[in-house]
Amino acid sequence: GDSVTQMEGPVTLSEEAFLTINCTYTATGYPSLFWYVQYPGEGLQLLLKATKADDKGSNKGFEATYRKETTSFHLEKGSVQVSDSAVYFCALRDSNQAGTALIFGKGTTLSVSS
Amino acid sequence: SQTIHQWPATLVQPVGSPLSLECTVEGTSNPNLYWYRQAAGRGLQLLFYSVGIGQISSEVPQNLSASRPQDRQFILSSKKLLLSDSGFYLCAWSREESGPGGYTFGSGTRLTVV
Repeated sequence: GDSVTQMEGPVTLSEEAFLTINCTYTATGYPSLFWYVQYPGEGLQLLLKATKADDKGSNKGFEATYRKETTSFHLEKGSVQVSDSAVYFCALRDSNQAGTALIFGKGTTLSVSS
Repeated sequence: SQTIHQWPATLVQPVGSPLSLECTVEGTSNPNLYWYRQAAGRGLQLLFYSVGIGQISSEVPQNLSASRPQDRQFILSSKKLLLSDSGFYLCAWSREESGPGGYTFGSGTRLTVV
């Protein structure tokens, strides 16, 4: 079945460092890919998404490119801030199937210090 | 605009007691609705999803159940809680007419079974 694999955390960075969180997927169809962020004590918020190969999703300085050849959707940010400390989830959703659910990776905790 | 409400925000229940968590969506009709559980260190697990009133699909067999008595109401229940039911429960909704999009999540319910 479909699955998502994220790099293990926690990731600890200093402010203004470059961030990469790796995400790879396995899917039988042509999935849409997502990154969600969960700030402490809160629910999940959609950060960015890409619906087809070579699409780049971007938001709040974060970006990720849908790479079909490597089945990857790595999250990057050029300069992280303390406020970016959160748990990041990569997810996929298969297409053309009503009611199919988002499948999440296990999440990667990011901690940014000043 | 669409909003999603979950309550209560936190709950402490003894083992063997019943459970009822409620989720409602406003500002949309016929949404797909989902219950996820986030246990410590285990990522997000899909529990149930619903594409319409009275239609419930279960992803994981367990002592929890879900019901959808109204179009925009989704209830998660248990007759007798187990310690292993502790976790962070998230409700989410989505619409399908524009293709497989992301979800909008509620703020979650933190359940501690003691």
